[in-house]
Amino acid sequence: DGGITQSPKYLFRKEGQNVTLSCEQNLNHDAMYWYRQDPGQGLRLIYYSQIVNDFQKGDIAEGYSVSREKKESFPLTVTSAQKNPTAFYLCASRPPGLAGEQYFGPGTRLTVT
Amino acid sequence: QKEVEQNSGPLSVPEGAIASLNCTYSDQGSQSFFWYRQYSGKSPELIMFIYSNGDKEDGRFTAQLNKASQYVSLLIRDSQPSDSATYLCAAMGSSNTGKLIFGQGTTLQVKP
Repeated sequence: DGGITQSPKYLFRKEGQNVTLSCEQNLNHDAMYWYRQDPGQGLRLIYYSQIVNDFQKGDIAEGYSVSREKKESFPLTVTSAQKNPTAFYLCASRPPGLAGEQYFGPGTRLTVT
Repeated sequence: QKEVEQNSGPLSVPEGAIASLNCTYSDQGSQSFFWYRQYSGKSPELIMFIYSNGDKEDGRFTAQLNKASQYVSLLIRDSQPSDSATYLCAAMGSSNTGKLIFGQGTTLQVKP
């Protein structure tokens, strides 16, 4: 079964702790993306990677970090510097082609108290 | 700031009616446009994309694009209660990064 997996589904952390969210895909897509969604809001881009060993900041990268050591994996670390980390985090990947459509994983809901 | 605008709704339609969802975008260089459906607590699911002016039909769904007016719409024919969800419009800009700009979404309620 091809797809995008994110783990865990729910994550609870204390303020001041770093936390890493997993995103794995077996679709052989080069491009991967991390978004954040707050209640009643659209998606905002955190980081993206178009190829292994390369990634770029999105619109709200402060307080986050990523790595892209393998094509299949694009983990996101939410650091203690992120002021409002509680949100729904979505990972997506994009197949090659001109249309540019992205497919999403199931998401991780992070709650920081 | 490049933006995609949607009316947050809720848009309420009776079962069997046509639901019309609208979206405008500010970046004239935007090339492709996407409609995603998002059920409460779930991740977005791609319904359709369109990149040429005019209409594109897929089953009960029709996407319409008017680049001159910078306007995208999604029509859902024979609306069903299972269509009740938030619909996100997204635009891909002119750069080759593949970045999508999302609207805030329109909540659709289909009443039996």
